[in-house]
Amino acid sequence: DTAVSQTPKYLVTQMGNDKSIKCEQNLGHDTMYWYKQDSKKFLKIMFSYNNKELIINETVPNRFSPKSPDKAHLNLHINSLELGDSAVYFCASSQRVAKNIQYFGAGTRLSVL
Amino acid sequence: GQQLNQSPQSMFIQEGEDVSMNCTSSSIFNTWLWYKQDPGEGPVLLIALYKAGELTSNGRLTAQFGITRKDSFLNISASIPSDVGIYFCAGRGNEKLTFGTGTRLTIIP
Repeated sequence: DTAVSQTPKYLVTQMGNDKSIKCEQNLGHDTMYWYKQDSKKFLKIMFSYNNKELIINETVPNRFSPKSPDKAHLNLHINSLELGDSAVYFCASSQRVAKNIQYFGAGTRLSVL
Repeated sequence: GQQLNQSPQSMFIQEGEDVSMNCTSSSIFNTWLWYKQDPGEGPVLLIALYKAGELTSNGRLTAQFGITRKDSFLNISASIPSDVGIYFCAGRGNEKLTFGTGTRLTIIP
């Protein structure tokens, strides 16, 4: 029943590891996003995909690589994790041609030790 | 990256009081959105505004799209305990949503 679902909800890992976060939406939307929320609660866009094509890339390090196998999925892979990557990562989706309202997942809290 | 100036940063109020918060930008936006985030959850849309001067209500919440298109306001009337959380404004110029810095609302018993 969940509209935008992310897994895992919590992720604790060591520096230098590689990890992935998955996102799926069942709203039939054509656009998906990844946001990063830091400890001060600032929400910042990282990537946006429309119909599996990258349309926004906000100067994110190359260690972050989004992958969209289809319109309903946008996964985020992070290589060589660093302490500064610790944050909450939110996936969102919208229907671009319509009012383009973004609906958010519950977030993945990443802690890099 | 750009962030919208949102104020106040935090509010401590008593149940039943009215709340006002606002968001200002140096850029013009075509859409203003207001979201609320509860602890451990993602932002949830409260109100969407699409035209300059537009005033829209959602229950006890009322939001306005500023005439200059560079600001927006959110009012909550007769606050209740479940109103606690962080409120974010967001403006959209083209493809991208830019979020405000958030207003943390706390209700004092």
